Amino acid sequence: SYELTQPPSVSVSPGQTASIPCSGDKLGDKFACWYQQKPGQSPVLVIYQDTKRPSGIPERFSGSNSGNTATLTISGTQAMDEAHYYCQAWVTSTVVFGGGTKLTVL
Amino acid sequence: QLQLQESGPGLVKPSETLSLTCTVSGDSISSSYYYWGWIRQPPGKGLEWIGSISYSGSTYYKPSLKSRVTISVDTSKNQFSLKLTSVTAADTAVYYCARHFITGDNWFDPWGQGTLVTVSS
Repeated sequence: SYELTQPPSVSVSPGQTASIPCSGDKLGDKFACWYQQKPGQSPVLVIYQDTKRPSGIPERFSGSNSGNTATLTISGTQAMDEAHYYCQAWVTSTVVFGGGTKLTVL
Repeated sequence: QLQLQESGPGLVKPSETLSLTCTVSGDSISSSYYYWGWIRQPPGKGLEWIGSISYSGSTYYKPSLKSRVTISVDTSKNQFSLKLTSVTAADTAVYYCARHFITGDNWFDPWGQGTLVTVSS
């Protein structure tokens, strides 16, 4: 079955750029999206269709997808961005989630 | 503003059937652009898609759960429901419902607040 692989954790200093990769076979041929989940809260869509931001999501969130890797980039990372991030794709009529990445801002 | 709310028992005995309902408010569930999905998250773990349904009853299920899952829709009540049979402790999780955009692109937004279901005798 298809798998999306994410690093368990990523650390970034405040104000710096955080990059969270999500890898899968020929992922660039599919659309990827990203969710942010803070403790005790429901996931929130932050990127869809590889690069688009839903209304209300800050401009510092951006996405890319090429080859085997989709990447969520957070520019000028703030303390409020500390959360788990999950990638997701649609593969042969099934939803696949990545295992999630804990972003620590320190 | 679209909102989704899960409801159902918080405790289910092993081997029994888990039943949850998601009530949609702020928009009609009968939109042809969207499906409506169920996703779960075991405590301290990641997200797992269960399945999704359209207003007309077309469904997609996660293959490994398909034999135990039924998702149905009631457009008159603006609700959709999940039934998961023969539950075990491994089915203990927070269960979320969400609107599922499935045409061309694929994403879930918004999500309900989630409901914890514990499988225990």
